[in-house]
Amino acid sequence: DAGVIQSPRHEVTEMGQEVTLRCKPISGHDYLFWYRQTMMRGLELLIYFNNNVPIDDSGMPEDRFSAKMPNASFSTLKIQPSEPRDSAVYFCASVSGADEQFFGPGTRLTVL
Amino acid sequence: DQQVKQNSPSLSVQEGRISILNCDYTNSMFDYFLWYKKYPAEGPTFLISISSIKDKNEDGRFTVFLNKSAKHLSLHIVPSQPGDSAVYFCAARTGANNLFFGTGTRLTVIP
Repeated sequence: DAGVIQSPRHEVTEMGQEVTLRCKPISGHDYLFWYRQTMMRGLELLIYFNNNVPIDDSGMPEDRFSAKMPNASFSTLKIQPSEPRDSAVYFCASVSGADEQFFGPGTRLTVL
Repeated sequence: DQQVKQNSPSLSVQEGRISILNCDYTNSMFDYFLWYKKYPAEGPTFLISISSIKDKNEDGRFTVFLNKSAKHLSLHIVPSQPGDSAVYFCAARTGANNLFFGTGTRLTVIP
């Protein structure tokens, strides 16, 4: 398996623009997680899905953030409108059951 | 509020010596603890874990110790190697699958 795939790897955009981050989990994994990494707060859980259903989105910072998982092999995290404070590395991770999570390589987002 | 804390943002160790990375937590409901290792431009990768019913777990050069009364765990790497230079994240979970991560400790092993 290729592991968790994220795209794009880098995204530079201007404040106010819409940003869409994409994730393909490992085949067969039933949980998918979106994290944000910052220097101040480390890795923060934004939202996670179980069998494509959002279970806990309490970590989503604002209504500007939304996430979807239309099927077992694809998820998106959207920020609209984006702001400079959204600049961070966003990770997607997947897991089967209670095993250890496998992380993707991350998307480095810079909002100017 | 951070439920998992790594108070040392960085640590430098000479090659061959022991590296000790520390982690504190506040939630007594955590029942499983993990360490992840992260290289630049890569996602975190799982390193070692420990259940709350144990106080030690060893895997090769890596050992994790858990002190539940102190709500403290530590990762020991011995002997340290230059390839161990990375950011190490401590994580914890309750019965659910979502993990709570610390802010990370950057380990530098000096050849």
